[in-house]
Amino acid sequence: EADIYQTPRYLVIGTGKKITLECSQTMGHDKMYWYQQDPGMELHLIHYSYGVNSTEKGDLSSESTVSRIRTEHFPLTLESARPSHTSQYLCASTPGDTIYFGEGSWLTVV
Amino acid sequence: QKEVEQDPGPLSVPEGAIVSLNCTYSNSAFQYFMWYRQYSRKGPELLMYTYSSGNKEDGRFTAQVDKSSKYISLFIRDSQPSDSATYLCAMKTSYDKVIFGPGTSLSVIP
Repeated sequence: EADIYQTPRYLVIGTGKKITLECSQTMGHDKMYWYQQDPGMELHLIHYSYGVNSTEKGDLSSESTVSRIRTEHFPLTLESARPSHTSQYLCASTPGDTIYFGEGSWLTVV
Repeated sequence: QKEVEQDPGPLSVPEGAIVSLNCTYSNSAFQYFMWYRQYSRKGPELLMYTYSSGNKEDGRFTAQVDKSSKYISLFIRDSQPSDSATYLCAMKTSYDKVIFGPGTSLSVIP
């Protein structure tokens, strides 16, 4: 069973607000990912990290940013939220072969 | 052509039926093969993982990989209403490239 936690699970915020989605894993995995998934749609990789101080952009362009100051923590930040950012954001980590996901953060920007 | 193609669905079966979910891929560098189950508004949950051709069984679930044909399948025996979800196939290379299928929606009717 994966030990990867995301908060908040659900959030409704106003346009222009800054938001940080938290992701923590207790498995000691170096590699972590952020995916964006609209309802009923495919997963899209937006950020990944190979370890502390490593961050890379994924396949889907995103206005969000990430940081990796500690192995277990990989937060995602939107400096100024817009309605187009409304989506589910999924954090994941891997020990090298499989990928484990958190429960997801549902963001609605009004 | 996408690197991973998945049977589009949606699929609706009666309770107790055997379900077959399928994906094909084009990149021979994929070494790890995974199936995920995703309930509505939740993160994907790892169901099955394998790295070799052949069958792997876990309870009512059997994962099948045919590397020569670049084809993977997930079989669900004695399907239950609780199996109703979206099923994602995923493939990973040794250098961390991961591709997810778009998902097949399954409904098991009591």
